[in-house]
Amino acid sequence: DAGVIQSPRHEVTEMGQEVTLRCKPISGHNSLFWYRQTMMRGLELLIYFNNNVPIDDSGMPEDRFSAKMPNASFSTLKIQPSEPRDSAVYFCASTPPDSLGHTQYFGPGTRLTVL
Amino acid sequence: AQSVAQPEDQVNVAEGNPLTVKCTYSVSGNPYLFWYVQYPNRGLQFLLKYITGDNLVKGSYGFEAEFNKSQTSFHLKKPSALVSDSALYFCAVSPGAGKSTFGDGTTLTVKP
Repeated sequence: DAGVIQSPRHEVTEMGQEVTLRCKPISGHNSLFWYRQTMMRGLELLIYFNNNVPIDDSGMPEDRFSAKMPNASFSTLKIQPSEPRDSAVYFCASTPPDSLGHTQYFGPGTRLTVL
Repeated sequence: AQSVAQPEDQVNVAEGNPLTVKCTYSVSGNPYLFWYVQYPNRGLQFLLKYITGDNLVKGSYGFEAEFNKSQTSFHLKKPSALVSDSALYFCAVSPGAGKSTFGDGTTLTVKP
């Protein structure tokens, strides 16, 4: 099993540019989560999907952020336009359809730097 | 609403000594409790979880955690720490479906 795959692993962009982060969850998992990690704020949940449907997007900072999950094997997180304060490590995680608890399996993260 | 508190930002122990990383939680109903570990420049990795049953849960790398319902705690423990255990540890609570709430993390440093 390849685990959760995220791309790119590192992204450096300039303020105002569009950034798209990608995630491929583990096959068979039916929930997907996007997190942001910074020193100041720790680990923040941005949005999560269940069966490709967004369930809770209350953590999305503002309208500049959007996320999609067009199918069970792919999700994107887009920032447009990007700002320096968006610099962080963005993690994607997925969970299996396990009714006895939802262990999350995290990807390696995308380190985003907005100049 | 559910919440998790990790009261210590940092825990320092000597190699070979026992370690404890503390976690307390608040949740409606029966909690599902988790510990995750994050090594530098890596994503979080699952260590162990409590769903039901025995209050002492054993997990990966020799770690264990004790669920205490009366104290609403789920402390992570290891009898003998290794330098390689040095990492960032997160406690998380889930109501059983959907999202988990993570603590702020505790940095564990094990010195030779």
